[in-house]
Amino acid sequence: GAVVSQHPSRVICKSGTSVKIECRSLDFQATTMFWYRQFPKKSLMLMATSNEGSKATYEQGVEKDKFLINHASLTLSTLTVTSAHPEDSSFYICSARAPPAKNTEAFFGQGTRLTVV
Amino acid sequence: AQSVSQHNHHVILSEAASLELGCNYSYGGTVNLFWYVQYPGQHLQLLLKYFSGDPLVKGIKGFEAEFIKSKFSFNLRKPSVQWSDTAEYFCAVTPNSGNTPLVFGKGTRLSVIA
Repeated sequence: GAVVSQHPSRVICKSGTSVKIECRSLDFQATTMFWYRQFPKKSLMLMATSNEGSKATYEQGVEKDKFLINHASLTLSTLTVTSAHPEDSSFYICSARAPPAKNTEAFFGQGTRLTVV
Repeated sequence: AQSVSQHNHHVILSEAASLELGCNYSYGGTVNLFWYVQYPGQHLQLLLKYFSGDPLVKGIKGFEAEFIKSKFSFNLRKPSVQWSDTAEYFCAVTPNSGNTPLVFGKGTRLSVIA
């Protein structure tokens, strides 16, 4: 099946620094990717929809200047957490649906555990 | 906007017991429905999916789910659980209209004890 790969799987950073998370679709082209955040013992909350070649669409309440999304190619989307603070510590997961997207499942990356100290 | 309700937060069962996890969604149009499982320390894996056709869908590891359109429900079932089924289970929905994100329920933690 289609594979979505996410890197890094874990990252610890100091407060005030920025962290970049990569999401790659390995065997299909993804014009759209989705970024989720999962709090401990909570569900996945959609943060934004990443669109290749255009601006990302952010969900209400998500700061677009803090969570920068770039979808520069059909196989790569990046999420940069800027000026990270301890409250940004969380599990971030990317997802993509293989073409034609309609009537297809979503594939998920392994997730990135971000800890801000 | 769509939403998904999973009524059971934590379910504890003995091995060989039968399982049913509830899932209801709110959306007026045609939907795609999914159940995903997340084992401890692992990423989400698809258990089963419904797009159209037979409302009773069978997935991996002996799981099945039934789509009841009139009840906006997509409950997950397994006749006999095993210790290895201990995990977090998520129901998800998305409109059947293109490249849309999945909306997840809050998840149900299943603990299977020997």
